[in-house]
Amino acid sequence: QVQLQESGPRLVKPSETLSLTCTVSGGSINGYYWTWIRQPPGKEMEWIGYVYYSGSTNYNPSLKSRVTMSLDTSKRQFSLRLSSVTAADTAVYYCARIGGLLDPFDAWGQGTLVTVSS
Amino acid sequence: SYVLTQPPSVSVAPGQTARITCGGSKIGSETVHWYLRKPGQAPVVVVSDESDRPSGIPERFSASKSGNTATLTISGVEAGDEADYFCQVWESTSGQPWVFGGGTKLTVL
Repeated sequence: QVQLQESGPRLVKPSETLSLTCTVSGGSINGYYWTWIRQPPGKEMEWIGYVYYSGSTNYNPSLKSRVTMSLDTSKRQFSLRLSSVTAADTAVYYCARIGGLLDPFDAWGQGTLVTVSS
Repeated sequence: SYVLTQPPSVSVAPGQTARITCGGSKIGSETVHWYLRKPGQAPVVVVSDESDRPSGIPERFSASKSGNTATLTISGVEAGDEADYFCQVWESTSGQPWVFGGGTKLTVL
């Protein structure tokens, strides 16, 4: 059974870069879109982007200029970097797995609250 | 951007039926998935594509669509069903491939 676990700093200063890693336990890396999703307090979930198992990426247009994602198959980890953060980037960040565009997200991390504050 | 609208909360007594709605202008033609999320836990799929329940999800969970509204129905609600429930679709025209509802807190009275 696949399990995902987010890790990284829970507090980031404004204008700095938010960095999170998702570690994948069990299952295959191949054939999946490895995604990041966030939910700001009181708002809907927002898709941030994905890194495909091949290494290709796709980002939310509203965040594209600040987002970088990568996949390290040897470590079974994928990562998110979000630059120039502001208080609006405070959210619970989830990593998740999806097999196809119309499929459900069939594995999620439990989420990690990242707060942007000085 | 495309928006999925859910009621913030639904309350039912144990043994009753809970219905949680998800409204969207194109939902009639979209594949809708439903998830539950409990505090401190990873979200879990409860119904995918209106009819598929992952192993371990009771038959009490079902889904349907009518017009611009998708509905998750939980029959014979139990205390353990108390959670946040949210819907999700794949949306190919808005720039975001996946769109989520805001979530509905189910309270078992």
